[in-house]
Amino acid sequence: AQKVTQAQTEISVVEKEDVTLDCVYETRDTTYYLFWYKQPPSGELVFLIRRNSFDEQNEISGRYSWNFQKSTSSFNFTITASQVVDSAVYFCALSGGPENAGNMLTFGGGTRLMVKP
Amino acid sequence: DSGVTQTPKHLITATGQRVTLRCSPRSGDLSVYWYQQSLDQGLQFLIQYYNGEERAKGNILERFSAQQFPDLHSELNLSSLELGDSALYFCASSALQGARADTQYFGPGTRLTVL
Repeated sequence: AQKVTQAQTEISVVEKEDVTLDCVYETRDTTYYLFWYKQPPSGELVFLIRRNSFDEQNEISGRYSWNFQKSTSSFNFTITASQVVDSAVYFCALSGGPENAGNMLTFGGGTRLMVKP
Repeated sequence: DSGVTQTPKHLITATGQRVTLRCSPRSGDLSVYWYQQSLDQGLQFLIQYYNGEERAKGNILERFSAQQFPDLHSELNLSSLELGDSALYFCASSALQGARADTQYFGPGTRLTVL
């Protein structure tokens, strides 16, 4: 069975601080994909990034960066110079299901990030 | 805006009733997924359809059913509603056959309140 753990349920930082959100996953699949989604107070789920299990290069997009380490089964997300607009719940997710026969996302419990001015 | 639309935004009903949630996928997407987000269970996968056929099933109750129509929109039917069914129901869509590489784009959700 697949599992995603986000141990930090809530993080509070002051604007301009850097913050890292942790994600640890479990899977028996050799090929899999990891995702991060953002859920702002308005409630929708916004896709941020997708990473496949064969690509361990770190990725940077503006103030966002992701660190994928297969050896520790982790896919951590860092926000540099946080802003109030970054306040949201962030979800890490893992894709799975029989190959070419369906795809379901297993989500972690989410981390609520509060950025204070 | 992801391009996935869901109606209605809010739904308030009573125990024992039946409701239908509707979803229109992004233009060109053939796969539709349904998820439930509740305080105690978190975000849980319910069911996936690809081009009208059921592709994968998660922890979906027997009281719940879904279908995808020829125009690719999907409906999630919830019957004999219980208080515990109160949740935010998300629809998502993806472009491909639903392989693991697919990115799922989520709609704004339907908030169901059962009184």
